[in-house]
Amino acid sequence: RKEVEQDPGPFNVPEGATVAFNCTYSNSASQSFFWYRQDCRKEPKLLMSVYSSGNEDGRFTAQLNRASQYISLLIRDSKLSDSATYLCVMDTGRRALTFGSGTRLQVQP
Amino acid sequence: DGGITQSPKYLFRKEGQNVTLSCEQNLNHDAMYWYRQDPGQGLRLIYYSQIVNDFQKGDIAEGYSVSREKKESFPLTVTSAQKNPTAFYLCAMSGGASDEQFFGPGTRLTVL
Repeated sequence: RKEVEQDPGPFNVPEGATVAFNCTYSNSASQSFFWYRQDCRKEPKLLMSVYSSGNEDGRFTAQLNRASQYISLLIRDSKLSDSATYLCVMDTGRRALTFGSGTRLQVQP
Repeated sequence: DGGITQSPKYLFRKEGQNVTLSCEQNLNHDAMYWYRQDPGQGLRLIYYSQIVNDFQKGDIAEGYSVSREKKESFPLTVTSAQKNPTAFYLCAMSGGASDEQFFGPGTRLTVL
């Protein structure tokens, strides 16, 4: 079983839609969780950290469920510019991060 | 971008040649990392360094070597022992209390 599992998609949604991604992880000792965004042929960029209490940044909401070992990302009012691959990321206790393979989102006009 | 640079952006080499990828940061961060990304795949950790003159192997270190002689520099050498070197190579840094990592723009290596 992979340490971090994501649905690769693609998720094809119309502009203005709400879309949610889940990511499951196997290492219960993981302490830090993040969502990164990666545009085609570019480097990943930090979108947001994920806190136990959940956190929101504009149209983006991230949540952590330790009991079920998953994190989620909700995007409201999708924009064309949200089209990208979203990477689920967490620490593995060795000060290096483990990356999921990513979920591709395509927002259509 | 964000104080971390990689060069060159694209690199072509013949099979059997060693090649060194550059990674420099100017934010005085202690930790630096090298990842490789293959098409449709996640990032896989090659090597990382928490402090000058020290580094650790990641998940796929075979066929690669690194050095950390200066805090701001963490070059990666792809040796001829690496079986499938063609990939997108990403360098990252982190510092302070957070585990967040920030990436350079990457180097696309193609071995012909």
